[in-house]
Amino acid sequence: DAGITQSPRYKITETGRQVTLMCHQTWSHSYMFWYRQDLGHGLRLIYYSAAADITDKGEVPDGYVVSRSKTENFPLTLESATRSQTSVYFCASRADGSGNTIYFGEGSWLTVV
Amino acid sequence: AQSVTQLGSHVSVSEGALVLLRCNYSSSVPPYLFWYVQYPNQGLQLLLKYTSAATLVKGINDFEAEFKKSETSFHLTKPSAHMSDAAEYFCAVTYYNQGGKLIFGQGTELSVKP
Repeated sequence: DAGITQSPRYKITETGRQVTLMCHQTWSHSYMFWYRQDLGHGLRLIYYSAAADITDKGEVPDGYVVSRSKTENFPLTLESATRSQTSVYFCASRADGSGNTIYFGEGSWLTVV
Repeated sequence: AQSVTQLGSHVSVSEGALVLLRCNYSSSVPPYLFWYVQYPNQGLQLLLKYTSAATLVKGINDFEAEFKKSETSFHLTKPSAHMSDAAEYFCAVTYYNQGGKLIFGQGTELSVKP
């Protein structure tokens, strides 16, 4: 029962580099989400996806790109990392008809230096 | 705009005391409400949820919350705090037409003193 797995769990990268955070879920949930968590802001939605090949922006999408070619994967790419993108990133998923319960991965700690 | 407000970024209680974490939402449409707990360096774990059934919702680890429409509140309580309850707690809301997108409060850090 793997659920949602994120990789890498911890990463340090340099400003300007491209970084991809991976998210894989084993439930075949339709909906997937990326949130970032910052002190004082709680969790904010970056992007979400209602199904394969369907994605849409959330509250803070600038500087991020997502794709969803397969239902189970939802990678998040920082095209040119900035220090303001230092954060903890959480992937989440939700099944149809689940009473809107969303399940979270363990998080990816990203530091941009 | 729809939002969630958690009153108190830090709450400290003694072991065995009542835990009360406050959450208010702003919306004119019926909400789905959630409480999540986050232990250090871990992801978010669902404590309980309200989805328009019983207004008093029971969750894991003896936590419960009551939905009060007139007060637009969904406060989290636990009769007797344990040291293991020390964590960050998040209230979140979504609505039927939001595809499950959650709006989170800023979180409340609960400390439990021996």
